[in-house]
Amino acid sequence: GNSVTQMEGPVTLSEEAFLTINCTYTATGYPSLFWYVQYPGEGLQLLLKATKADDKGSNKGFEATYRKETTSFHLEKGSVQVSDSAVYFCALRSAGGYNKLIFGAGTRLAVHP
Amino acid sequence: GAVVSQHPSRVICKSGTSVKIECRSLDFQATTMFWYRQFPKQSLMLMATSNEGSKATYEQGVEKDKFLINHASLTLSTLTVTSAHPEDSSFYICSARSAGASGGDEQFFGPGTRLTVL
Repeated sequence: GNSVTQMEGPVTLSEEAFLTINCTYTATGYPSLFWYVQYPGEGLQLLLKATKADDKGSNKGFEATYRKETTSFHLEKGSVQVSDSAVYFCALRSAGGYNKLIFGAGTRLAVHP
Repeated sequence: GAVVSQHPSRVICKSGTSVKIECRSLDFQATTMFWYRQFPKQSLMLMATSNEGSKATYEQGVEKDKFLINHASLTLSTLTVTSAHPEDSSFYICSARSAGASGGDEQFFGPGTRLTVL
């Protein structure tokens, strides 16, 4: 079946460090891929998405590229800020999946000044 | 962006009682709402999908008689955990998909409800 695997956290970085959170997926067909972010005390928010191979999603300095050959959708940011501290979820929606999202376990990011 | 609220944010109840959790879309109409359950340090697991005015579709392994879902209007869905037991303790999250074209197919998530059954 479809599944998403993302790196375990927590990830602890200093401000302005480079961030990578790995995400790989298993799915039939051509799923859409998402990154969601959950700030403390808030609901999940869509951070970025990509709907086909080689698409790059980007938002707020974050980006991720849909790599079908490696079934990956790694999240990157060149220079993190303290305000980026949150839990990040990778997710997929399979083709014809009627909006059903399958999530990874989430990765907690803590950025220190 | 669109806002989804959940109430209560936290509830503690005794074993055997029933608990109702509300999910509201505050500034848009939601034709479809989703209920998820999240265990500590684990993924969100989809429990059921509900469409306004029709019966919910439950995922495999989710007891429909235990987790009653009602989606009576385009802005409100409720999840009732009946005869709750300690193993039902979890974080329950709802999401809503907009009926309008401006929302596209994006799901908007509520902040979650922490249920603790003693």
